[in-house]
Amino acid sequence: RKEVEQDPGPFNVPEGATVAFNCTYSNSASQSFFWYRQDCRKEPKLLMSVYSSGNEDGRFTAQLNRASQYISLLIRDSKLSDSATYLCVVNGRYGGSQGNLIFGKGTKLSVKP
Amino acid sequence: NAGVTQTPKFQVLKTGQSMTLQCAQDMNHEYMSWYRQDPGMGLRLIHYSVGAGITDQGEVPNGYNVSRSTTEDFPLRLLSAAPSQTSVYFCASSYWPGGVTDTQYFGPGTRLTVL
Repeated sequence: RKEVEQDPGPFNVPEGATVAFNCTYSNSASQSFFWYRQDCRKEPKLLMSVYSSGNEDGRFTAQLNRASQYISLLIRDSKLSDSATYLCVVNGRYGGSQGNLIFGKGTKLSVKP
Repeated sequence: NAGVTQTPKFQVLKTGQSMTLQCAQDMNHEYMSWYRQDPGMGLRLIHYSVGAGITDQGEVPNGYNVSRSTTEDFPLRLLSAAPSQTSVYFCASSYWPGGVTDTQYFGPGTRLTVL
């Protein structure tokens, strides 16, 4: 099982749609969870952290289920500007540090007029 | 603040050549890292550093060297370039790795082609 797995996509949705991305992780010791956004040919940027109680930032809602090792991102009222690749990220262990980040391959979202 | 800067933006090498990808940050971040991103593979950690003088290997370290002589700079050296190293390279930094409130700041990337 890969360390971080995401829906492969692409997701093609009309403006105004609600879209949900799912992600599973294999390391039960992971403590930190994030969603990053990456525009075409650009660097990744933090979209939001994911907390155990779930958290919301405007149209974006993130949920974490530690028992199932599952993370989700919900985007409501999609905008054209939401078109990007969404990366699920958890902390993991390389070398002597548990503090490195492990990225999923990403799910591409395309919002159409 | 300039954030995280990377040079060059683009580079073409021939097999066997060596080069150094530069990365600098002006946010006084302790943690810096290098990733490569290949189509269908996601970002993979090459090397990382938790402070000046301290470096460690990530998931795909072979063929790359790093050093961290200052807090600001974290260069990545390709010793003998191979076509398999054709990729987009991102440098990133953060105040503290992996914390719940932590944010990784990425540079704009270097697109490397090895012929």
